[in-house]
Amino acid sequence: NAGVTQTPKFQVLKTGQSMTLQCAQDMNHNSMYWYRQDPGMGLRLIYYSASEGTTDKGEVPNGYNVSRLNKREFSLRLESAAPSQTSVYFCASIFRGQETQYFGPGTRLLVL
Amino acid sequence: KQEVTQIPAALSVPEGENLVLNCSFTDSAIYNLQWFRQDPGKGLTSLLLIQSSQREQTSGRLNASLDKSSGRSTLYIAASQPGDSATYLCAVSTGTYKYIFGTGTRLKVLA
Repeated sequence: NAGVTQTPKFQVLKTGQSMTLQCAQDMNHNSMYWYRQDPGMGLRLIYYSASEGTTDKGEVPNGYNVSRLNKREFSLRLESAAPSQTSVYFCASIFRGQETQYFGPGTRLLVL
Repeated sequence: KQEVTQIPAALSVPEGENLVLNCSFTDSAIYNLQWFRQDPGKGLTSLLLIQSSQREQTSGRLNASLDKSSGRSTLYIAASQPGDSATYLCAVSTGTYKYIFGTGTRLKVLA
């Protein structure tokens, strides 16, 4: 099992460019999450998908969109990147009933 | 609104010392509480999960306690080792598929 994988590992964007962060899990988990981590602010929830076919906003959804492509994959899209979106992005997944969160290795995004 | 606080933000201890990390939350209506470890440049690894009906959980040298009425959890690390150096984060779930994280305590264990 690869667990939770994220691509790319690192990306540099110019202001206004778009990109999609990919996340996949091979643990048959129901729920998936996207967080951003900024110095001094901890992890903040961007969007989550409680189950396949559903998505909901978290604490900081502005400027982002998500797609739960199937049970395995949950992507995060930045339509028009801004310097304020410079951050480390983590994807996580949970098997409902067990509740332990499994995290991916993160994507480091720099927006110039 | 649920808020999670971890104090201190950083802690240095000599090897072999027993230590306690603190996590406070403002709303006692939680579903569970988890403690995580994060190494520099890496993702988070779950250490312990305490359900709301439980008082504590243990794994090896780690013991986590939960007191919902006071809005507190502690992570006890026995006989600390340099390999324990990392950032430790707690997160609470309100049962609505959402998790609120603290900002973490950066631990350094000195050899």
